[in-house]
Amino acid sequence: GQNIDQPTEMTATEGAIVQINCTYQTSGFNGLFWYQQHAGEAPTFLSYNVLDGLEEKGRFSSFLSRSKGYSYLLLKELQMKDSASYLCAVMDSNYQLIWGAGTKLIIKP
Amino acid sequence: IAGITQAPTSQILAAGRRMTLRCTQDMRHNAMYWYRQDLGLGLRLIHYSNTAGTTGKGEVPDGYSVSRANTDDFPLTLASAVPSQTSVYFCASSDTSGNTGELFFGEGSRLTVL
Repeated sequence: GQNIDQPTEMTATEGAIVQINCTYQTSGFNGLFWYQQHAGEAPTFLSYNVLDGLEEKGRFSSFLSRSKGYSYLLLKELQMKDSASYLCAVMDSNYQLIWGAGTKLIIKP
Repeated sequence: IAGITQAPTSQILAAGRRMTLRCTQDMRHNAMYWYRQDLGLGLRLIHYSNTAGTTGKGEVPDGYSVSRANTDDFPLTLASAVPSQTSVYFCASSDTSGNTGELFFGEGSRLTVL
């Protein structure tokens, strides 16, 4: 079966750096997405990786290793507003998105 | 402001009742989707439509139906609601001809079936 694994919850300190990992086993691969979802709100797009390596976008970076079935989302200079759930999703060979359950990130002052 | 509008935002209904969740987008995206989100689970695809006039079944289609009469609208109908359909429902759209095919989500419809 297809599976996306990510930690259920993480805690970090304001101003620090946090890395959220995602491992996947899917039927084919056509890209990996990260979305941010604040409590009670809709998910919003953060990043997309289809080739191995690091994609940087401001304070957020996303890394992909296709051979390892692994990605991470790196958040730098954490702010209180970064408290949210972060969803990892993989597009399989049928161009369907397989979603992880999300990682709830708690930022403490 | 361009985007996706869902209605209602919240609804409580009795088991056995029929319910339609509405979804409208004004971005002229070809593809639209309905997901449900339950605590501890990832987003699960109910139905999708790659273009107006076509629909397909997702991971959890039973008890739900959709139609795509035009590009903008993609309503989701529960013919006879059951308590297990209590969930938050998200409509989304994407331009699958784009570089990433990223999804744009509506604000969600919180449904409680008693």
